[in-house]
Amino acid sequence: GNSVTQMEGPVTLSEEAFLTINCTYTATGYPSLFWYVQYPGEGLQLLLKATKADDKGSNKGFEATYRKETTSFHLEKGSVQVSDSAVYFCALNAGGTSYGKLTFGQGTILTVHP
Amino acid sequence: DTGVSQDPRHKITKRGQNVTFRCDPISEHNRLYWYRQTLGQGPEFLTYFQNEAQLEKSRLLSDRFSAERPKGSFSTLEIQRTEQGDSAMYLCASSLGENTEAFFGQGTRLTVV
Repeated sequence: GNSVTQMEGPVTLSEEAFLTINCTYTATGYPSLFWYVQYPGEGLQLLLKATKADDKGSNKGFEATYRKETTSFHLEKGSVQVSDSAVYFCALNAGGTSYGKLTFGQGTILTVHP
Repeated sequence: DTGVSQDPRHKITKRGQNVTFRCDPISEHNRLYWYRQTLGQGPEFLTYFQNEAQLEKSRLLSDRFSAERPKGSFSTLEIQRTEQGDSAMYLCASSLGENTEAFFGQGTRLTVV
């Protein structure tokens, strides 16, 4: 079946530090890959996506590259801010046309200190 | 606010009671999804609708769960004879159509005591 594995958290960083959150997946076919973010008290929000191998998704300074050879989609940001503190979820859509039907990882809690 | 709206935000119920949750999607979004999220885990897909048609149901959706979207607008998720294992956050999402972003509501937190 399809699955997503994220690095275990929580992750605690100082402001302006470099962030990497690892994500690997197992899927049949050619999935689309997503990162969602959940800020305290809010619903899940799409952060970025990539729909085919070697695509790079980017948004708000975050980036992730779809690596088919390593089945990975690691999230990176060069300089985190306190406002980036949130829970980050890696997810996949296992083909088909419904981007709302997603398999999620367990989430990684990020805390950024001033 | 024109986002996905869920009601109630919190529900506490006794084991064995029935509960119903409501989701109002973003206007004109024809696809609607239900997820369940337990503490420390990512959301798990339950079911989805295109307009009023329920197109897919996860094996997680036992016979005690039923979802409807009678007019292709709002949706309800009912859990009959609740069990303590049903305690979770129930999330709703909607999207405009194929290959488009899903927008999530803030969820309904269910506690079964």
